[in-house]
Amino acid sequence: DADVTQTPRNRITKTGKRIMLECSQTKGHDRMYWYRQDPGLGLRLIYYSFDVKDINKGEISDGYSVSRQAQAKFSLSLESAIPNQTALYFCATSDERYNEQFFGPGTRLTVL
Amino acid sequence: RKEVEQDPGPFNVPEGATVAFNCTYSNSASQSFFWYRQDCRKEPKLLMSVYSSGNEDGRFTAQLNRASQYISLLIRDSKLSDSATYLCVVNINNNDMRFGAGTRLTVKP
Repeated sequence: DADVTQTPRNRITKTGKRIMLECSQTKGHDRMYWYRQDPGLGLRLIYYSFDVKDINKGEISDGYSVSRQAQAKFSLSLESAIPNQTALYFCATSDERYNEQFFGPGTRLTVL
Repeated sequence: RKEVEQDPGPFNVPEGATVAFNCTYSNSASQSFFWYRQDCRKEPKLLMSVYSSGNEDGRFTAQLNRASQYISLLIRDSKLSDSATYLCVVNINNNDMRFGAGTRLTVKP
């Protein structure tokens, strides 16, 4: 079984709709992250959380919100989706001692 | 200027070739450095960390030059399976990982 899972894997939605992307992990890591990847821009950090009571904005948090429901779960919401939020979204986890990040398989989101 | 810059490629090389990628970073306070590999439509996976003294893992060698603020990845004896996008990653502080846009490598028979 995958250590980091994301649902859904693909989603097509319309402008203005509320969307939630979910991430679960079985690695036992405290740290979780949400990134988006766009062609030519690399991965950019949206939000990160170091434990269930800790939420921090990343490089590009505008238009997004997150919820850390438990150590193993970290969800990303788009309150009112817009077309330039069309991207590949990755969730990741890491251990406090090491900097290696473990990524989920990604969610491909298309906003029409 | 981007915080982490890479030549996007693509690099097209024959099997057995040696290929090198460079990456520059702008924040002199950056603390740690990595190379990740990303296959098409897949998630990134750690290839290797980059240490100040340089490090080697089989056919892969990573170097760090703090004075010039660049890191490099050398792949020797390229295999078809090395075809992927290689991401340079810089840890600005313990909270902030910055990714380059990636360099695409295609190894041909």
